[in-house]
Amino acid sequence: GAVVSQHPSRVICKSGTSVKIECRSLDFQATTMFWYRQFPKQSLMLMATSNEGSKATYEQGVEKDKFLINHASLTLSTLTVTSAHPEDSSFYICSARQGLRTEAFFGQGTRLTVV
Amino acid sequence: QQQVKQSPQSLIVQKGGISIINCAYENTAFDYFPWYQQFPGKGPALLIAIRPDVSEKKEGRFTISFNKSAKQFSLHIMDSQPGDSATYFCAAVGLNTGFQKLVFGTGTRLLVSP
Repeated sequence: GAVVSQHPSRVICKSGTSVKIECRSLDFQATTMFWYRQFPKQSLMLMATSNEGSKATYEQGVEKDKFLINHASLTLSTLTVTSAHPEDSSFYICSARQGLRTEAFFGQGTRLTVV
Repeated sequence: QQQVKQSPQSLIVQKGGISIINCAYENTAFDYFPWYQQFPGKGPALLIAIRPDVSEKKEGRFTISFNKSAKQFSLHIMDSQPGDSATYFCAAVGLNTGFQKLVFGTGTRLLVSP
């Protein structure tokens, strides 16, 4: 199956700083990438959808100035949490898809802790 | 209409037993129904998936049953093992109908007792 690599797997940052999470498709070209947030014992919540070379489309209620998404190449998307606060602490997961009618594959997730 | 309802919220099954998780949807634009398995601290991994033109799909110990008229689908895990203990999510997406966002169920925490 297709492999999606997410880095880092865990990160701790100080309140007020920014942190970047990378999502890479290792063996296919990802025309679309998705970013999710997951709270403990809850389902995945879609934050935004990004298509290569285009601006990301954010879901309602997600602050685009706080969660910056860049999808500059067909194998890399990044999520930057700006001016992080403790309430941003969560599990962030990306997924990538090749083409419109194909399955999406998930990264292993990033545990962000803001102290 | 975009929701996928999943039950039960949690499930305890003895080793060797059958685990059954049910999901229901409303949106007829959905045409692809995957199931994901997620272990703590990991991303979800695709387990098995089905399209609505078939009523059942089996892969090893995992079977999806699909009822298009009732808009329901379920995951059966035969001969459940302690290693199957994880959270399972059903999902739905419209790959060929333009509804491109994957909609997840609320998840089922499965515990298989030794």
